[in-house]
Amino acid sequence: NAGVTQTPKFRVLKTGQSMTLLCAQDMNHEYMYWYRQDPGMGLRLIHYSVGEGTTAKGEVPDGYNVSRLKKQNFLLGLESAAPSQTSVYFCASSSFFDYPPYGYTFGSGTRLTVV
Amino acid sequence: GIQVEQSPPDLILQEGANSTLRCNFSDSVNNLQWFHQNPWGQLINLFYIPSGTKQNGRLSATTVATERYSLLYISSSQTTDSGVYFCAVGPETSGSRLTFGEGTQLTVNP
Repeated sequence: NAGVTQTPKFRVLKTGQSMTLLCAQDMNHEYMYWYRQDPGMGLRLIHYSVGEGTTAKGEVPDGYNVSRLKKQNFLLGLESAAPSQTSVYFCASSSFFDYPPYGYTFGSGTRLTVV
Repeated sequence: GIQVEQSPPDLILQEGANSTLRCNFSDSVNNLQWFHQNPWGQLINLFYIPSGTKQNGRLSATTVATERYSLLYISSSQTTDSGVYFCAVGPETSGSRLTFGEGTQLTVNP
């Protein structure tokens, strides 16, 4: 049981380039989330999804887009990367039907550097 | 949105010492979780505790929802307890989404 898998684990982008981060979960969770972690700022919610085909904005959505075409996958896209998007990105999933309800399971993170 | 404050921001202990980490939040919640981020960056769920008290080995947590705070106790600390401890809360209006505090950086020295 892999849980939540993020790819890639590391990436260096040049300013203006685009990329997609992939999150895959095998727990049949209905909720999925993308967070970014910056030094001294904890984790901040970028976008989230409450089910297949749905997405919603979190606290810091600007510069990012997401899609959830399949229940098990949640994609985070950067259309034109900026140095301010240098961060560690975490994906998480949860389910109301698990115990504990909405208990988060995190992926191992993607370290992104934009130069 | 809801505010989450954790204290202290940094804590240094000798192996074997006990510690208490605090999390204050600004609104009613129906979801509160504690996480440990190890030195390699992995985030592990420790407790789901929107109210009451739970214990898991040397760790225990208490949430007093009416007073809007939660405490994480670490007893007989070990070097493997080092890392960052995050409190995250979900207000009654937000369902599954969690807002994280800035964390407590714990260092346990041998």
